[in-house]
Order: sequence, then C-alpha cells, then structure tokens
Amino acid sequence: DSGVTQTPKHLITATGQRVTLRCSPRSGDLSVYWYQQSLDQGLQFLIHYYNGEERAKGNILERFSAQQFPDLHSELNLSSLELGDSALYFCASSARGGRSRQYFGPGTRLTVT
Amino acid sequence: GNSVTQMEGPVTLSEEAFLTINCTYTATGYPSLFWYVQYPGEGLQLLLKATKADDKGSNKGFEATYRKETTSFHLEKGSVQVSDSAVYFCALSDPETSGSRLTFGEGTQLTVNP
Repeated sequence: DSGVTQTPKHLITATGQRVTLRCSPRSGDLSVYWYQQSLDQGLQFLIHYYNGEERAKGNILERFSAQQFPDLHSELNLSSLELGDSALYFCASSARGGRSRQYFGPGTRLTVT
Repeated sequence: GNSVTQMEGPVTLSEEAFLTINCTYTATGYPSLFWYVQYPGEGLQLLLKATKADDKGSNKGFEATYRKETTSFHLEKGSVQVSDSAVYFCALSDPETSGSRLTFGEGTQLTVNP
C-alpha cells in the first residue's frame, strides 16, 4: 500500500459527459502528479501540483483540468469526454518535487462508451 | 525533449531463467533513472533507481546500472520467479530541464512460467 488513495476505482460514462477523479496524497506529501495510461499512448504525464500551485503541464488536453486543494487532495476534471479518453488515470505524490520519490495510487479506470 | 525506449515485449521465460530488459534514454540534462513494476490490477511500484552515472540500483534480486556512455539502464535478474510476472517500465526524471515529471518507456510485459 503506497498511502496514495484514488476514487473511484472504476468509472463508466458516456461521450460528452464530465467526470471528476479524486486523489489523496500520502500524509505530508506536498506534490501531486497525474498520469494517464492508455493502450495507444502509454504512460503520459499530465500535470503536477505543489502545495496548491500548478508547477508543470504535460500532454494535458484543454478539456481536462486539475486543482489541488488546501488539504492537499487533488481532483482531475475531464469534460466533453470522447471514446479516446478511456484510460487508467494514476495519481502520484511526493514529499516535494525535484528528485523526491513518487508514490503511485492504484488508479481510476475510466471507460467512455 | 526527453524520451525512454524499452525493448518490446511481451517476454516469456521459464522459472529460474535469466532476465534482461533493455532500456535506453535520451535526455538533455542529468537525469535520474528508474524501473517501476506494475502487477495486474495495481498501481506502479518503484523497483529500483539510480541517480548518477555508474550507480547501480538493486532490489529483490533485480539490478540495473546507469551507463551514461551508452545512455542505457538495462534491467537484469539472475533467476526469475513466477511471482515476477508483471509489466516493467523504465523511466527518467530530469528536474533541471523538465521538472520532476517522470517520462516512461512503453512497458515490457513479463510472464514467467513454472
């Protein structure tokens, strides 16, 4: 158990809908990262938050947004969903940024039908 | 930009066989290198890491050496077990040039048969 929790575990929704994925980092960790794992794109970095502030963006679509709250949990919002958004979404946390070890949650499997 | 290339899978071995999974990288700075493992239905777990040239990371019988001259970080294990069946990802982090994000290879599915 990494100490990172993600909810829900599975999500099935229709095209055009909006969903919110939630991540609680390990106790004391200030950084939260989101990654997407799909069959055609592999594992890709989406976005990094540190202590409530956005630090870096990767290949994140404009339809996707994220935030980190004062209690350090994070949410990833996916809107106008398309079939191609079906993937496993991982959250990871680390103590700080830089070369701090990242601990991964179990992931949320999103299926868009 | 940074990138990681892994040998394509899947790889199927018999128990007690020797394992090598090749990984090469491209980076503009001085990256840290990692191997992560993903068991079925689970998240990624850090298997081992190396932070500078010639460092050797090791864990649970797995080893990898950071080779700057060949830009490689190949994963090896002398005698695999059925319980090693999983997907293995090579990754790098290059904070000075791309922040603390991890850049992953494609993943290699390993199946070990009894």
